[in-house]
This record gives sequence, C-alpha cells and structure tokens, in this order.
Amino acid sequence: AQTVTQSQPEMSVQEAETVTLSCTYDTSESDYYLFWYKQPPSRQMILVIRQEAYKQQNATENRFSVNFQKAAKSFSLKISDSQLGDAAMYFCAYRREGWETSGSRLTFGEGTQLTVNP
Amino acid sequence: NAGVMQNPRHLVRRRGQEARLRCSPMKGHSHVYWYRQLPEEGLKFMVYLQKENIIDESGMPKERFSAEFPKEGPSILRIQQVVRGDSAAYFCASSPQENVGGYTFGSGTRLTVV
Repeated sequence: AQTVTQSQPEMSVQEAETVTLSCTYDTSESDYYLFWYKQPPSRQMILVIRQEAYKQQNATENRFSVNFQKAAKSFSLKISDSQLGDAAMYFCAYRREGWETSGSRLTFGEGTQLTVNP
Repeated sequence: NAGVMQNPRHLVRRRGQEARLRCSPMKGHSHVYWYRQLPEEGLKFMVYLQKENIIDESGMPKERFSAEFPKEGPSILRIQQVVRGDSAAYFCASSPQENVGGYTFGSGTRLTVV
C-alpha cells in the first residue's frame, strides 16, 4: 500500500523568507502523481502544485516549487518570498496512474502546519 | 462556475441519530470522492462514486456508513446511529471523466456528535 510521510508537524518562517516542507512516499508504481494541498483555517482544500512522476522537470507555480527526487521518493515544497497568507496546513498527497478502482484515490500525509511570522 | 458545494457546513447530532451530508459536484464532473479528516490528522479516503455506481468503497467503515450518487441530485454520505468517534470534517471532491490531476474539493462538513 502507498504511504505518504510528512516528518515536520510544524514549521515557521519569517515573512519574505524561503521555507521548504518535506514529504516522502512509498510506492511500487512507476507512474503516479504527487500534489501539495493547502488548508487554511477556512478548511478549504486548495491545490498548490502538481507533479507527474514521468516528468523529470520540477513543477513551479509562481512562488511555489517542488524538488522531486523519484529515486529517493522525495517530494519537497519550497515557498519563496513567504507571505502572511501562506500560513496554513500543508498536505502532501499521492495518486497512482489509471482509473481502475483504487487508481483514483488520493493518499495524504499527516500535514505540516506552517506559521508565517511578520 | 460554482465549485463543489457541500452542505451543511456544520452539523450537530446526538448519539444514535442519523447524519446526512450532501455534495453537489462541479458542473460537468461525473466523479465524486468522499474523505474524512479526524482532528489533527490528514484526510483519509472513504469512497469513490460515479453516477449511480459505487466504484471503490474500500475506505468506508463496514457498518453504519453508506454513500450514493444518484442520476439526479447531489451525492449523499449517510451515517446511521452516529457515535462520538464519527465527529470529524467530511470532505467531498469531484473530477471530470478524464482527470489527469488533482480534484476540486468542497469546503467540508464538520460533524459534531454530542
């Protein structure tokens, strides 16, 4: 079974600084997707960034970028120029390729609570 | 284009009552997923449905929980005879037929069992 591990329950960063959130996963699949979701106090789950395992290039979305190390099964999220609005719980998630019964489910890590200090 | 709509936002039930949680997927989305988030934990998969079909319910507790996604109307997650341990946030997500990425999540229903 796939598992996703986030080893940092809490992280903090100064406004305008850079922070990296860690995520490792375990899978025997070769094709899959990885995601970072943000959950602010409103509880809404917001997709931050997505990475396809077959792509060697790391995904980037404005101030958010990932460091995807497929061999090491590592998928960290870097937030540059941190803003107060970045404060939230961040979840790493995995989904295998395909649409058969279990292919569509997301497996989440336990989350990292990010605090941004002014 | 409205997002995934869940209601109610908050639901309080006494032990032994029934809870019905509703989810209207995004327009054009035919796949619905339910996840549960216990306090201080990540989201856990419960069930995956398409119109009139349960595709994967391997994450659903065997008793008291059921889900449906009828041809017309919202998807319903039903919890019978609720217990304190059912208190959690329940999230619905939807995706189109051919989804190559993540889903769109609703804002969740927080169920409190008293």
